[in-house]
Amino acid sequence: DAGVIQSPRHEVTEMGQEVTLRCKPISGHNSLFWYRQTMMRGLELLIYFNNNVPIDDSGMPEDRFSAKMPNASFSTLKIQPSEPRDSAVYFCASSSPRGGSYNEQFFGPGTRLTVL
Amino acid sequence: AQKITQTQPGMFVQEKEAVTLDCTYDTSDQSYGLFWYKQPSSGEMIFLIYQGSYDEQNATEGRYSLNFQKARKSANLVISASQLGDSAMYFCAMREGYSGGSNYKLTFGKGTLLTVNP
Repeated sequence: DAGVIQSPRHEVTEMGQEVTLRCKPISGHNSLFWYRQTMMRGLELLIYFNNNVPIDDSGMPEDRFSAKMPNASFSTLKIQPSEPRDSAVYFCASSSPRGGSYNEQFFGPGTRLTVL
Repeated sequence: AQKITQTQPGMFVQEKEAVTLDCTYDTSDQSYGLFWYKQPSSGEMIFLIYQGSYDEQNATEGRYSLNFQKARKSANLVISASQLGDSAMYFCAMREGYSGGSNYKLTFGKGTLLTVNP
């Protein structure tokens, strides 16, 4: 089975540009999470969805960040306008609430974003 | 207060020896879950092991075991017979609330960088 798929794997952009990160969760998983990882702040949860509905977006740093999940198999994280301090690795993860599961989160390979 | 504390920024261990990575947590929930993830230099996050707050026995998965001490609120990861491929960053994480609920949010610690020496 395919794991969590993220695209692009690497993104280099200039300050002020719009950036869109994409995620396809594991089929059948109904929870999706967006994380940001930096050396300074570690791994931070930005937002998560259950059944395509945003549940907790308290980690979204500011209005420049937005996330959508239009259907069970696709989510986007958009930064507009981007700033150099947004440079980080962005992970998408998914999990399933099936009985007997630990609800462990399965992570995608990440998108390394560099904003110049 | 931090919910997950990993006090060891870095650890070294000789190949074939055992190593313990520390994790303490803070929660007022009675039902919660503790996870360990491994992040090698390639960057992916790999789930290793899980311990539920009501589990009476310590979790084990191959060479990984979790030393769960509920009263002390600690969930240390023990890696037996270390291998060079175990060199990586290790993260402890906690899910508060019961696993059948709707809150699947994980809080991660800062991580411990383990280096296995030949």
